[in-house]
Amino acid sequence: GENVEQHPSTLSVQEGDSAVIKCTYSDSASNYFPWYKQELGKGPQLIIDIRSNVGEKKDQRIAVTLNKTAKHFSLHITETQPEDSAVYFCAASITGGGNKLTFGTGTQLKVEL
Amino acid sequence: EAGVAQSPRYKIIEKRQSVAFWCNPISGHATLYWYQQILGQGPKLLIQFQNNGVVDDSQLPKDRFSAERLKGVDSTLKIQPAKLEDSAVYLCASSLNGEVEQYFGPGTRLTVT
Repeated sequence: GENVEQHPSTLSVQEGDSAVIKCTYSDSASNYFPWYKQELGKGPQLIIDIRSNVGEKKDQRIAVTLNKTAKHFSLHITETQPEDSAVYFCAASITGGGNKLTFGTGTQLKVEL
Repeated sequence: EAGVAQSPRYKIIEKRQSVAFWCNPISGHATLYWYQQILGQGPKLLIQFQNNGVVDDSQLPKDRFSAERLKGVDSTLKIQPAKLEDSAVYLCASSLNGEVEQYFGPGTRLTVT
């Protein structure tokens, strides 16, 4: 089955700096890669996703890149703000095959003032 | 649009007791998922429903876990008897007729003592 690895497990940045979280996946058939943000006491919230037919996607301060050959994808957050502090999860899925999500282990991002 | 609703939010039980969780998905979402999230890990799929039918329950410990979605709307997940290792957050998610974008509820935090 699919295996998703995520690094780093914790990340501390100064407000205004950029943050990068990286994930690798094992199943070359995976073609959908969402990123979720989970705040304390809440469920994961979908913040951005990318499909295998594109290499990059941006939404304001958030961007995701995908390298299908290397089987890795990354989340980039620019101009970080204290409200970006949360746990971020990457996931991978094969669309049309039940859309089962396999999650990474999470990255605790802390944005310091 | 109302999100995914779950109850209770917290539950503390002793080992060998039984417990049930309830989920009401986003209106119109035919696909419903139950995930288990152990502290410090990403969510792991337990069971997936399409309307009132089971699509995937391959990772559900069927000797103690059961789930149903009788009318194709809300769902219950039951554990009987509970073990210490069942302590986790149980997340419910839904998607529009199997679409890849999944939306999560706030979860139920279960503590087994």
